[in-house]
Amino acid sequence: GESVGLHLPTLSVQEGDNSIINCAYSNSASDYFIWYKQESGKGPQFIIDIRSNMDKRQGQRVTVLLNKTVKHLSLQIAATQPGDSAVYFCAENLLTGGGSNYKLTFGKGTLLTVNP
Amino acid sequence: DTAVSQTPKYLVTQMGNDKSIKCEQNLGHDTMYWYKQDSKKFLKIMFSYNNKELIINETVPNRFSPKSPDKAHLNLHINSLELGDSAVYFCASSQEGRGRFTEAFFGQGTRLTVV
Repeated sequence: GESVGLHLPTLSVQEGDNSIINCAYSNSASDYFIWYKQESGKGPQFIIDIRSNMDKRQGQRVTVLLNKTVKHLSLQIAATQPGDSAVYFCAENLLTGGGSNYKLTFGKGTLLTVNP
Repeated sequence: DTAVSQTPKYLVTQMGNDKSIKCEQNLGHDTMYWYKQDSKKFLKIMFSYNNKELIINETVPNRFSPKSPDKAHLNLHINSLELGDSAVYFCASSQEGRGRFTEAFFGQGTRLTVV
């Protein structure tokens, strides 16, 4: 299977359950965070974002929580479906170059498998 | 309508060859990127261009040379390919401005295999 040799954190859930994917970010100065979904053979696809002046944002079936105190992000997916099976990445955005340019840095990724 | 398109999708080549990957975005964004994804799915930024100007170069070997003829295109040329260059390369674009950043849109990737 695809997960062999990947050594990604994995999460396996039953269809209909809620999923929670966690992410720790590295830089307390990061001011924008994005969750991406990557299906097999495709590029990362935007799911939801949150700015550092918020601690929660909701989309359709997804919620992102931001805890700046411990530098932690989570993605909650409600009523998980087989089509949600993918690798999920959190990304943090940081101003670099003396505050003139943005750099988007990705976390390790979590493989979500939804069992029918 | 494809927002960020890159070609080719697959590229198999021998060590020592020189190859190019092309990328185009029709989103009107002014910033484009190249990312490399290794076999463990780790995504790492290589380069960033803003309005044809190199902004970020993440200590990538100088065998890799990005070229941006205009802000809608960012191509990646790789000289003297090595086995370790085998990976999936993603092009992306975003809109930066007014002190804010919006999400990056990614292409479908180019799977490079060096044999």
